[in-house]
Amino acid sequence: EIVMTQSPATLSVSPGERATLSCRASQSVSSKLAWYQQKPGQAPRLLLYDASTRATGVPARFSGSGSGTEFTLTISSLQSEDFAVYYCQQYNNWPPWTFGQGTKVEIK
Amino acid sequence: QVQLRESGPGLVKPSQTLSLTCTVSGGSISSGDHYWSWIRQPPGKGLEWIGHIYYTGVTTYNPSLRSRLTMSVDTSKNLFSLNLSSLTAADTAVYYCARERGLFGTNWFDPWGQGSLVIVSS
Repeated sequence: EIVMTQSPATLSVSPGERATLSCRASQSVSSKLAWYQQKPGQAPRLLLYDASTRATGVPARFSGSGSGTEFTLTISSLQSEDFAVYYCQQYNNWPPWTFGQGTKVEIK
Repeated sequence: QVQLRESGPGLVKPSQTLSLTCTVSGGSISSGDHYWSWIRQPPGKGLEWIGHIYYTGVTTYNPSLRSRLTMSVDTSKNLFSLNLSSLTAADTAVYYCARERGLFGTNWFDPWGQGSLVIVSS
């Protein structure tokens, strides 16, 4: 099983600032990585797939990079609606598909 | 667009079997282009992939749950289902159904159902 590790667990950021979230895989997942956003009481929402491709309707301030074992999600200028928990997920090796434990982005 | 909706009991007793159904609308489960997944999230915790099913009934389960898990599909009703047996409090979670985008190398989850909270308690 591939273990996905996200850091930091919590990120405190002021509105308008940049947020950088990390996701590390225990072995290479190539570029088979997705990012999700989850707000309280809601299902996760797909943000990015194939490490860097934005899903339909996702604002351009969300970007992703990386391949192999190291990945980054960047939110260039945080808006109020971006404060949420973010999860990475690998889909290169299965079963099972695995998620990181999440990074909470909170208002500083 | 495709929408998914979970249904099932909110409360189940320990040692019993959980049965959940995911009804798909706006698209056919029989299109053959997707796997159909179950994912769960214990309160305040992260996401765990439970397993998925193809419209033909072929399944892949998370090895950690395989011994207690059965999934099925009903193409005539455009739904798929999950049965999880021998429940304990550790199975308390929000259970989501979701569509995997594709079959090989495109297995991200989109869209998701709204989730169904299942509490295991006597």
